[in-house]
Amino acid sequence: DAKTTQPPSMDCAEGRAANLPCNHSTISGNEYVYWYRQIHSQGPQYIIHGLKNNETNEMASLIITEDRKSSTLILPHATLRDTAVYYCIVRVGNTNAGKSTFGDGTTLTVKP
Amino acid sequence: DVKVTQSSRYLVKRTGEKVFLECVQDMDHENMFWYRQDPGLGLRLIYFSYDVKMKEKGDIPEGYSVSREKKERFSLILESASTNQTSMYLCASSLLAGLREQYFGPGTRLTVT
Repeated sequence: DAKTTQPPSMDCAEGRAANLPCNHSTISGNEYVYWYRQIHSQGPQYIIHGLKNNETNEMASLIITEDRKSSTLILPHATLRDTAVYYCIVRVGNTNAGKSTFGDGTTLTVKP
Repeated sequence: DVKVTQSSRYLVKRTGEKVFLECVQDMDHENMFWYRQDPGLGLRLIYFSYDVKMKEKGDIPEGYSVSREKKERFSLILESASTNQTSMYLCASSLLAGLREQYFGPGTRLTVT
């Protein structure tokens, strides 16, 4: 699985959009980009995933660049409850998911 | 809603003890996983299972074994606990391989003294 690089921490004002970047320059054609988050004292929670098209669900939007070497997770109106560690993972889509290992992620702090 | 439960939130064991961590999921998922999480090291995969009685090593299997006798239950076993196994242990499950999101339990914080 391709390696990902994320900034260690970011701040965001409550009510504003939070844009979390992820670099995955060695991604291969059959690898998907997944995002999870982990709120303090809880297990990680799936957010969204995509291959090459932009994706949106009730939690977030995922923007993947045309060359697929980077992506951005967007939380459109961040709330204090969105304070968490956000993990970007690249994983082959048609094999067992077990071999993906989460890195250190980005600690997002939403401030009032 | 998918529910993944773990037997304990907090556990304290002595060095050399045999430790069992239990994980149960209620959504008939094929795949189950055990991770450990340590500061500065992120989440690391210990073992996973894609079917009953099937298991594969993850990135850090040394010192651990697993058991999957029933589809809904995946156990992590520390044969002889050591202090370097003090960590947060997280169990996860997913419906199918690959393109499926993983659902995580709340975690077990294990302290080995």
